[in-house]
Amino acid sequence: GAVVSQHPSWVICKSGTSVKIECRSLDFQATTMFWYRQFPKQSLMLMATSNEGSKATYEQGVEKDKFLINHASLTLSTLTVTSAHPEDSSFYICSASWRGRQQPQHFGDGTRLSIL
Amino acid sequence: SQELEQSPQSLIVQEGKNLTINCTSSKTLYGLYWYKQKYGEGLIFLMMLQKGGEEKSHEKITAKLDEKKQQSSLHITASQPSHAGIYLCGADGGGAQKLVFGQGTRLTINP
Repeated sequence: GAVVSQHPSWVICKSGTSVKIECRSLDFQATTMFWYRQFPKQSLMLMATSNEGSKATYEQGVEKDKFLINHASLTLSTLTVTSAHPEDSSFYICSASWRGRQQPQHFGDGTRLSIL
Repeated sequence: SQELEQSPQSLIVQEGKNLTINCTSSKTLYGLYWYKQKYGEGLIFLMMLQKGGEEKSHEKITAKLDEKKQQSSLHITASQPSHAGIYLCGADGGGAQKLVFGQGTRLTINP
């Protein structure tokens, strides 16, 4: 099946640091990538939709200057949490899909971000 | 906006027993996806259903979409410890391939 790689899997850093998370589709060209946030024992919350070569579309309430998304190629999207604070600590998951007939999203393994 | 309600929220069953998880939508479903998540990990795609009355099976897991396309069920036969995890249903909601997820069902299998 389709493989999506997310890196790093775990990040611990000091408050004020910017953190970049990468999401790669390894065996297909992802026209669209999605970034989710998940709080403990809760479902996934969509943060933004990223299309290759265009600006990301952010969900209501998500600060685009705080969560910078870049989708420069069909196999790579990055999420940068700028000037991270403890309240940004969470589990971030990306997914990727491609255009055409209805296709399922394929998910990365997630990144656990802890801000001290 | 579309909302998905999963039931039960948590389930503990004895190994070897059958179980069913339900996913009910507030609107007609045009694409229903089942995923499994282990704690602290990503989601594993299980199955996709699109047509009313459709049923798909993979190993011991069967998913169905009702004729009215507003409810789906996931049935596990002869459960095993490897089935433990969080099961999430997701549906196409709001265009642009966005998915709306249910709140998840936490499945525990007791040996």
